[in-house]
Amino acid sequence: DAGVIQSPRHEVTEMGQEVTLRCKPISGHNSLFWYRQTMMRGLELLIYFNNNVPIDDSGMPEDRFSAKMPNASFSTLKIQPSEPRDSAVYFCASSPAPGLAPEQFFGPGTRLTVL
Amino acid sequence: GQQVMQIPQYQHVQEGEDFTTYCNSSTTLSNIQWYKQRPGGHPVFLIQLVKSGEVKKQKRLTFQFGEAKKNSSLHITATQTTDVGTYFCAGSNDYKLSFGAGTTVTVRA
Repeated sequence: DAGVIQSPRHEVTEMGQEVTLRCKPISGHNSLFWYRQTMMRGLELLIYFNNNVPIDDSGMPEDRFSAKMPNASFSTLKIQPSEPRDSAVYFCASSPAPGLAPEQFFGPGTRLTVL
Repeated sequence: GQQVMQIPQYQHVQEGEDFTTYCNSSTTLSNIQWYKQRPGGHPVFLIQLVKSGEVKKQKRLTFQFGEAKKNSSLHITATQTTDVGTYFCAGSNDYKLSFGAGTTVTVRA
């Protein structure tokens, strides 16, 4: 298995531009998570999907952030408009099933820089 | 909400020495997980502890879950340069993992 796939690996954009991050979870995994990692705030959960349905989006910073999971093999995290404070590494992770929080498999991350 | 505190934030270790990182939760946890993130990499799952007082070993790494299921520790013996990275604990009561801030380990050869 290729593991969790994320694209792009690096993104540099200017303030005000729309940014779309993509994730392909491990086949057969029911749960998908988007995290943001910064030096100041550490690893933060943004949103959790189970069976393609958003279950918990309480970590989404504000309305500029949105996430979708149109099918079991694809998810996007969109920031519109982007701001410099959105600069971070964004990780997507998947896990086999909900319940007692089984291990999560992280993708390589997308390093976002907003100028 | 649930908070997971981790200490120390940084650990500078002489190669060959032992060290321990500690994780404390404000609430009782159903399980705790440990992850390792190498510099420039992504978190990689190491282990999960579920039972009160559980102890698990992976080669030079020993993981413990406290009796009250509110704290955990990771002890590494005979540190090697390959142990460099950030070690995160993550507490859970349902689907959601609350990650600690991590202990970043550097090794002096």
